[in-house]
Amino acid sequence: KAGVTQTPRYLIKTRGQQVTLSCSPISGHRSVSWYQQTPGQGLQFLFEYFSETQRNKGNFPGRFSGRQFSNSRSEMNVSTLELGDSALYLCASFAGTATDTQYFGPGTRLTVL
Amino acid sequence: AQSVTQLDSQVPVFEEAPVELRCNYSSSVSVYLFWYVQYPNQGLQLLLKYLSGSTLVKGINGFEAEFNKSQTSFHLRKPSVHISDTAEYFCAVIGDSNYQLIWGAGTKLIIKP
Repeated sequence: KAGVTQTPRYLIKTRGQQVTLSCSPISGHRSVSWYQQTPGQGLQFLFEYFSETQRNKGNFPGRFSGRQFSNSRSEMNVSTLELGDSALYLCASFAGTATDTQYFGPGTRLTVL
Repeated sequence: AQSVTQLDSQVPVFEEAPVELRCNYSSSVSVYLFWYVQYPNQGLQLLLKYLSGSTLVKGINGFEAEFNKSQTSFHLRKPSVHISDTAEYFCAVIGDSNYQLIWGAGTKLIIKP
């Protein structure tokens, strides 16, 4: 069974630009979560989608948004990039309940210059 | 609100020695507990999880953890570490009514030859 894939793996942008990151979950999984990982703040929850609906949202500004498609693939978008958005963005897929194991992709390393 | 505290940011240990990585959580509701490992430049991999039942949970790579409800702890142990265990270890909690993992700050396991 193929794992979680994230594209691109690395991205360099400048302040003010916007970026879209993609996550393809494990086949059969209906839920995708997104997390931001930085040295200063650690791992923080961004949002979670289940069957194209956002079920949970973390404490991030509205510049961070996401969506999920009918095939469970998910994208997250960050508009008007700031230097502080430089981070490793991880997505996880799981079947859809709290007790399920969340399987993580390798992440997208975003650098904002 | 749920929170997770990993008491040590780094744990140095000699190869083949035992190790314990400490994790305490706070929550007013039932929670599920997880330990993940992150190798350099990789995503997160589940080591083990506690959902209910036996308080001693065995995971991959020879790791185990003990859930202690009275002390609100979920410490991770391995009787004999190897150089390949060098990584960062994260404790996480998820509530039954939501789907976001709340993370500890991580503990870097440093294996000394």
